[in-house]
Amino acid sequence: EVQLVQSGAEVKKPGESLKISCKGSGYTFSNYWIAWVRQMPGKGLEWMGIIYPGDSDTRYSPSFQGQVTISADKSITTAYLQWSSLKASDTAMYYCARGGTYSSYWGQGTLVTVSS
Amino acid sequence: EIVLTQSPGTLSLSPGERATLSCRASQSFSSTYLAWYQQKPGQAPRLLIYGASSRATGIPDRFSGSGSGTDFTLTISRLEPEDFAVYYCQQYGDSPQTFGQGTKVEIK
Repeated sequence: EVQLVQSGAEVKKPGESLKISCKGSGYTFSNYWIAWVRQMPGKGLEWMGIIYPGDSDTRYSPSFQGQVTISADKSITTAYLQWSSLKASDTAMYYCARGGTYSSYWGQGTLVTVSS
Repeated sequence: EIVLTQSPGTLSLSPGERATLSCRASQSFSSTYLAWYQQKPGQAPRLLIYGASSRATGIPDRFSGSGSGTDFTLTISRLEPEDFAVYYCQQYGDSPQTFGQGTKVEIK
């Protein structure tokens, strides 16, 4: 069974760093793109970028380029989304999803709250 | 970047009625690269349709997708109680991929 299990909710202060994770199982992790999608409170879905764990090829939406870093460690079948300096506007639910196009499999989401 | 505009913003219907949701793109792209998702409160999105008209595994046949070029439609032939949710279209033919802003289907 394909599963994507994300790390737990985080509460951070502005300016802090953060790395959240998405662990894949039930399939060959290296062979499928992983996408990250943001959903701000009460808002729609925003595509942030994708990574191919096999060779770490990474693509970003211009809206998120330079704001976040997407990475993956295929040895532990885990993808990551990280921030070096969080802002209050980063408060959102973040989903990982399998696939470089449409996504049939999604993680449960990680809620990130940034507040002073 | 391709902008997807969904309409209406909210659709108020009764169970058993037909729902027609629209997704219009700011520029034409291959219909091969259009998907529809359903999202319920507190849940991750669920893939319904890919390639504009192919149902994902396990999706009931009351859900259908159509369209090409810049105009796409998701139709729910007879609304079941579990279909009241928010629906998003997504294009994945151009980078960056983009989602529409969503259509909420609510109980009238």
